[in-house]
Amino acid sequence: AQSVTQLDSHVSVSEGTPVLLRCNYSSSYSPSLFWYVQHPNKGLQLLLKYTSAATLVKGINGFEAEFKKSETSFHLTKPSAHMSDAAEYFCVVMRGSARQLTFGSGTQLTVLP
Amino acid sequence: DAMVIQNPRYQVTQFGKPVTLSCSQTLNHNVMYWYQQKSSQAPKLLFHYYDKDFNNEADTPDNFQSRRPNTSFCFLDIRSPGLGDAAMYLCATRGTSGSNEQFFGPGTRLTVL
Repeated sequence: AQSVTQLDSHVSVSEGTPVLLRCNYSSSYSPSLFWYVQHPNKGLQLLLKYTSAATLVKGINGFEAEFKKSETSFHLTKPSAHMSDAAEYFCVVMRGSARQLTFGSGTQLTVLP
Repeated sequence: DAMVIQNPRYQVTQFGKPVTLSCSQTLNHNVMYWYQQKSSQAPKLLFHYYDKDFNNEADTPDNFQSRRPNTSFCFLDIRSPGLGDAAMYLCATRGTSGSNEQFFGPGTRLTVL
């Protein structure tokens, strides 16, 4: 079975400092992995996706993630946090013939002024 | 703009009173999904339609049903809502050519009194 584990339920950073949100995956074959962001009372927005092309994936709003097979990780990073980055972030793995999504438990990012 | 629309955005129902949530899309996507997201939890897939083929997740309660009368519309019916069914319900769509990205609607927040 394919699954993802988000290692931190809450991350707090100061504005202008780097962001690191951690995600490990479990898969019997090369997975398709995604990061989604959810702002309060808003729908889910795709930040970036990995589908076995380049291991370093660049997304929207300055976020990027690196797929590391040896570590079974897909951590999300951003060099400099902005107040508008405060939100819930979900690491997601795709499974099944209908491309169903299985979400991690989420990481709440707080950005301090 | 092509999009996924959910109506209503907020729905209040009474314990045991049937309720229907609506999702429509202008993307002409083959696949439509319904997710349940309880407070402070990750979205959980309930079921999906691949064209007219209905696919239930193994642990989705019988209380939840769905209808897809045409490509554009998909409905979630909760036959006898319980207090535990209070949640955000998210609809998503996916095309079957090219990207595997799922596009999410803004969600319907269901309150059960």
